[in-house]
Amino acid sequence: AQKVTQAQTEISVVEKEDVTLDCVYETRDTTYYLFWYKQPPSGELVFLIRRNSFDEQNEISGRYSWNFQKSTSSFNFTITASQVVDSAVYFCALSEAPSNTGKLIFGQGTTLQVKP
Amino acid sequence: DSGVTQTPKHLITATGQRVTLRCSPRSGDLSVYWYQQSLDQGLQFLIQYYNGEERAKGNILERFSAQQFPDLHSELNLSSLELGDSALYFCASSVTGGAHTEAFFGQGTRLTVV
Repeated sequence: AQKVTQAQTEISVVEKEDVTLDCVYETRDTTYYLFWYKQPPSGELVFLIRRNSFDEQNEISGRYSWNFQKSTSSFNFTITASQVVDSAVYFCALSEAPSNTGKLIFGQGTTLQVKP
Repeated sequence: DSGVTQTPKHLITATGQRVTLRCSPRSGDLSVYWYQQSLDQGLQFLIQYYNGEERAKGNILERFSAQQFPDLHSELNLSSLELGDSALYFCASSVTGGAHTEAFFGQGTRLTVV
């Protein structure tokens, strides 16, 4: 069965600290896609990144980086030098290619609080 | 701004009533999704449409129905509302509706059933 687990319910850091949000997924498919979304206090869901199961290259975008490891079924997200504006709920999600739909299976989310 | 528009932003209604949530997808997107976000269930996929046809169904209650119109906007109808239906309902859209395409979400409709 497909499942996404974000074991960290809440994380609190002080501004400028680095923080890593964990995501572990389960799927029987060999082709799948992983996503991260951000939900700031205003409530909307903001797309951050998509990775496919064949591309294990790490990705960096500014202060954000993602580490995809198929061997451990993990897709972790690191924020470097965190800022107060990074405070939000972050969701990891899985989409399976064979279903031919864009249905997303979300984790429970990790609430990140960055204190000044 | 994702380009996905949902109306209304907030809705308060009584148990037993029926409401309609509306979604306009991003320009050019053919697929629309509906998700429900609640404290106990998290973010749950409800249903997906592609170019007017239902493509996938999730844990959508029989009291709920949806459709996508020829102009690609979508409506989610919730009837015989119960207190437990109180949640944030998101609409999302994507270009092709396939697993590889990222979905862009609207700001959500917060439904409160009293």
